[in-house]
Amino acid sequence: DAGVTQSPTHLIKTRGQQVTLRCSPKSGHDTVSWYQQALGQGPQFIFQYYEEEERQRGNFPDRFSGHQFPNYSSELNVNALLLGDSALYLCASSLIGGGVTDTQYFGPGTRLTVL
Amino acid sequence: DQQVKQNSPSLSVQEGRISILNCDYTNSMFDYFLWYKKYPAEGPTFLISISSIKDKNEDGRFTVFLNKSAKHLSLHIVPSQPGDSAVYFCAASAALGGGATNKLIFGTGTLLAVQP
Repeated sequence: DAGVTQSPTHLIKTRGQQVTLRCSPKSGHDTVSWYQQALGQGPQFIFQYYEEEERQRGNFPDRFSGHQFPNYSSELNVNALLLGDSALYLCASSLIGGGVTDTQYFGPGTRLTVL
Repeated sequence: DQQVKQNSPSLSVQEGRISILNCDYTNSMFDYFLWYKKYPAEGPTFLISISSIKDKNEDGRFTVFLNKSAKHLSLHIVPSQPGDSAVYFCAASAALGGGATNKLIFGTGTLLAVQP
């Protein structure tokens, strides 16, 4: 049973550039959430996708956008990169209506460095 | 506004002893709490969770206690093993209803070091 996978593992970009990160959810899951983890902090919720639509959004600017495909995989796009966007980007998948737990399972993350 | 707080950045415990990790929250709407373990260069791994209708949940060496009146939860690991050394995150969510999966609010983590 494949878990959550993310690509790429590491990425280096310069200020002003755009980046796309990819996530494949755990088998059987239909919901994908994205989190940003800065150094020394806990993960911060960016947004969540279900049925190819954004269901919830955290306090992140419009430069952060996403997409979910019919096979439930997802992309996170960040435009006009800033130095402060350097972080570990985590994808988590879950199953809506999967029971009382609705536990989110995380991928290994993509380390983005903005120079 | 830090809604979930882990006030101990680090904890050191001897192998075989009990590890107790603490977490406080401020939002009374939170109704589901989780603990995740994170090794360097890996994503968080789900450990154990508890619903607000319970005050204790146990899974093997891991037990989570919830004190709603104090808005406090703790994770007990007994006995602690060197492989438990990692950063532990407490997370909370508030129900949207309809079985929806909700955003998780994380604490800043506690680094546990289990000494052989």
